[in-house]
Amino acid sequence: DAGVTQSPTHLIKTRGQQVTLRCSPKSGHDTVSWYQQALGQGPQFIFQYYEEEERQRGNFPDRFSGHQFPNYSSELNVNALLLGDSALYLCASSPKGAGGPYNGYTQYFGPGTRLTVL
Amino acid sequence: AQSVTQLGSHVSVSEGALVLLRCNYSSSVPPYLFWYVQYPNQGLQLLLKYTTGATLVKGINGFEAEFKKSETSFHLTKPSAHMSDAAEYFCAVNGLGDDMRFGAGTRLTVKP
Repeated sequence: DAGVTQSPTHLIKTRGQQVTLRCSPKSGHDTVSWYQQALGQGPQFIFQYYEEEERQRGNFPDRFSGHQFPNYSSELNVNALLLGDSALYLCASSPKGAGGPYNGYTQYFGPGTRLTVL
Repeated sequence: AQSVTQLGSHVSVSEGALVLLRCNYSSSVPPYLFWYVQYPNQGLQLLLKYTTGATLVKGINGFEAEFKKSETSFHLTKPSAHMSDAAEYFCAVNGLGDDMRFGAGTRLTVKP
């Protein structure tokens, strides 16, 4: 049973560019959350997708957007990249029927995508 | 709003010694509490979690944590450190309807 997978592993972009990161949830999971982890810090919640809709959002600008597909996989898009967007981007999934991860259900994390903005 | 404070960004112990990583939380609703471990260049792995019930929670790899409501704490312990325990540890909190908040992390070093 494959866990949460993310692609690509590493990515280098320049300021002003746009980037798309991808996530496939663990089998049987339908809720996907995205986190940004800057160097030396804990993960910060970006947003959560459930039933193909954004259900909750953290304190991130509109440059950060996402999508969830019918197969529960998800994309994170970041427009107009800034140097400060350089970070490890983590995807996490939760079990089907959990009603989202914020009810004490375990979130399973992928290995992350390391984004470097030059 | 919920928040987590991890006391000590770096903790160093000798192999075989007690591991104690401190976590204090703030929450206006009954919290769900988690400890995750992150090895270099990897994602986060759940060690243990507290939702309801028994306040002493046992996790993987010999770790355990105790929920103390009166102290708003959820410290992580392991009786005997192993070299393989060297990693970054994150405490996290969420309550019903809220997003998950992580602490800044504690880097554990284990000396031979």
